[in-house]
Amino acid sequence: EPEVTQTPSHQVTQMGQEVILRCVPISNHLYFYWYRQILGQKVEFLVSFYNNEISEKSEIFDDQFSVERPDGSNFTLKIRSTKLEDSAMYFCASSEEGMIRSIQYFGAGTRLSVL
Amino acid sequence: AQSVTQLDSHVSVSEGTPVLLRCNYSSSYSPSLFWYVQHPNKGLQLLLKYTSAATLVKGINGFEAEFKKSETSFHLTKPSAHMSDAAEYFCVVSDLWGGGADGLTFGKGTHLIIQP
Repeated sequence: EPEVTQTPSHQVTQMGQEVILRCVPISNHLYFYWYRQILGQKVEFLVSFYNNEISEKSEIFDDQFSVERPDGSNFTLKIRSTKLEDSAMYFCASSEEGMIRSIQYFGAGTRLSVL
Repeated sequence: AQSVTQLDSHVSVSEGTPVLLRCNYSSSYSPSLFWYVQHPNKGLQLLLKYTSAATLVKGINGFEAEFKKSETSFHLTKPSAHMSDAAEYFCVVSDLWGGGADGLTFGKGTHLIIQP
């Protein structure tokens, strides 16, 4: 069964450093998403991406965040200068369609620890 | 704005007994509702979804959920728990007018524990 894969599974970084979280969506999907879950809190929507541009973003997704689809398979989330409060589990998801009733398929997540 | 409340952070049942995971939602329009499950070190897996068709929705692994508009609930049930059901369960809503566009709104999750 096709699945969304995320690497690395755990990333440790120093405060102020840049990190790139990587995702390989399901191959025929056209819509891509990032979510995060701070320990003990809800999974929160960050951004959706379609046709090589951001289609929607939450208030969490400020200027220190960026997303990119550098080639035909990868979808990345970059955090430019990490803060302690960026420590969280980051989930990538993809879907065939962008309608509210489409199913989003999730990866296993990348746990980011900012020291 | 849409929101989801999962009423129990932890639920513990014995193997072979029924499971009930409770979820209430708030939505300004006709919502789509989902239950996702997360096993340790695995991705979020879709159990079932409601998208304005039949109010009783059957999912994978024997789970089902009933959409009750009058109660704004979408509780997840299973007649007989199995040890492999131990996991974190998320109730999720998607609303055309939710403001997050394609973004899903998650509940905090319910940790299901199965006692042998």
